[in-house]
Amino acid sequence: GAVVSQHPSWVICKSGTSVKIECRSLDFQATTMFWYRQFPKQSLMLMATSNEGSKATYEQGVEKDKFLINHASLTLSTLTVTSAHPEDSSFYICSARGLRLVKETQYFGPGTRLLVL
Amino acid sequence: KQEVTQIPAALSVPEGENLVLNCSFTDSAIYNLQWFRQDPGKGLTSLLLIQSSQREQTSGRLNASLDKSSGRSTLYIAASQPGDSATYLCAVLNNAGNMLTFGGGTRLMVKP
Repeated sequence: GAVVSQHPSWVICKSGTSVKIECRSLDFQATTMFWYRQFPKQSLMLMATSNEGSKATYEQGVEKDKFLINHASLTLSTLTVTSAHPEDSSFYICSARGLRLVKETQYFGPGTRLLVL
Repeated sequence: KQEVTQIPAALSVPEGENLVLNCSFTDSAIYNLQWFRQDPGKGLTSLLLIQSSQREQTSGRLNASLDKSSGRSTLYIAASQPGDSATYLCAVLNNAGNMLTFGGGTRLMVKP
């Protein structure tokens, strides 16, 4: 149980386009979802936290107008990278926390690798 | 602000060795500490989770300890195998349960 999926797993796009990444909790209801970014050979950095039905809370230094997060249902959160540029190329990982699971534990998705040309 | 440090950053050992990975954190007010494994280009696999009230957790050849007062955790891998080669990440969850802070990771290479 407690499986989190991400789609797509890989995306290559041209500079200036927008890219949407989906994060789904497959077998539980995710009250909170988290989005992380990981640059090569670096650790994960939290970008934002989203609770179902409310606006996301962004970490310092993360542009909320560039990284749009929507958590419209208890099983789906989306991250849209708007007007992507090469410096946005990174590995994006989501995690989810839910009811009736190990308290406060985050379950991680497999990640989405974004390459902006 | 919580800071998590992992030492060493990289480690190369011959197969069969027992090894210890270290993790230290600056704020001891934590909810739990978790060790993850990450293979190149892949997501995270949770290995062990230690609640703040616990001292250690074991799973197979892995043993993780936690000394909250000193801000330290160790991951012990017994009889290492080439398949253990990966990056190992330590992450600390704050008391409020809303911020998971990761260390920089230890890249482990086990040579056959």
